[in-house]
Amino acid sequence: EIVLTQSPATLSLSPGERATLSCRASESVSTYLAWYQQKPGQAPRLIIYGASNRASGIPARFSGSGSGTDFTLSISSLEPEDFAFYYCQQRDNWPPAFTFGPGTKVDVK
Amino acid sequence: EEQLVESGGGLVKPGGSLRLSCAASGFTFSNAWMNWVRQAPGKGLEWLGRIKSRVVGETLDYAAPVKGRFTISRDDSKNTLYLQMNSLNIEDTAMYYCTTDLQERYFGAWGQGTLVTVSS
Repeated sequence: EIVLTQSPATLSLSPGERATLSCRASESVSTYLAWYQQKPGQAPRLIIYGASNRASGIPARFSGSGSGTDFTLSISSLEPEDFAFYYCQQRDNWPPAFTFGPGTKVDVK
Repeated sequence: EEQLVESGGGLVKPGGSLRLSCAASGFTFSNAWMNWVRQAPGKGLEWLGRIKSRVVGETLDYAAPVKGRFTISRDDSKNTLYLQMNSLNIEDTAMYYCTTDLQERYFGAWGQGTLVTVSS
């Protein structure tokens, strides 16, 4: 089973600053990686899939990069509504199993 | 717009059973592959299982921790997804979400979730 690790666990930043979140896989997942945003009391929302494709309705300040085992989610200039938890996710090929990273909390400095 | 609404959560005793439902709208449900994902209080996300569409045989895949206890099914005539949960234990306490499947690898739309609490 492929294990995902995320760093840092918590990222404390101010509005307007750039956020850089990391996700590392225990073995290569090619570019088959997604990122989700979750705000308190809400369901997760897909923001990036295929490592770098923004989901429908996601602002351009969100971008994803990486391949193989190392991936990055960047938020170019944090808006107040961006302070949330972020999870990365991948799917094992066989047997099919989906795993999430433990998450990164982006909070207000 | 894809919309998913879960229901059926509640308080259940250890060893008990519960069936969750997920009503879908805004897309062709019969063509969709669907998933269940849960989140224990204050914890991360855990995939539980997936059901493919009828055209590919409604193939089922389950996460190891729930295989044999949980069963996913669907009723395309009602645009509804189900999760039958048996032999529940305290560790099954969580918010349960249904999701659509995107490109066989990701979770597209999510419902708002339904809370299951297992307690004596």
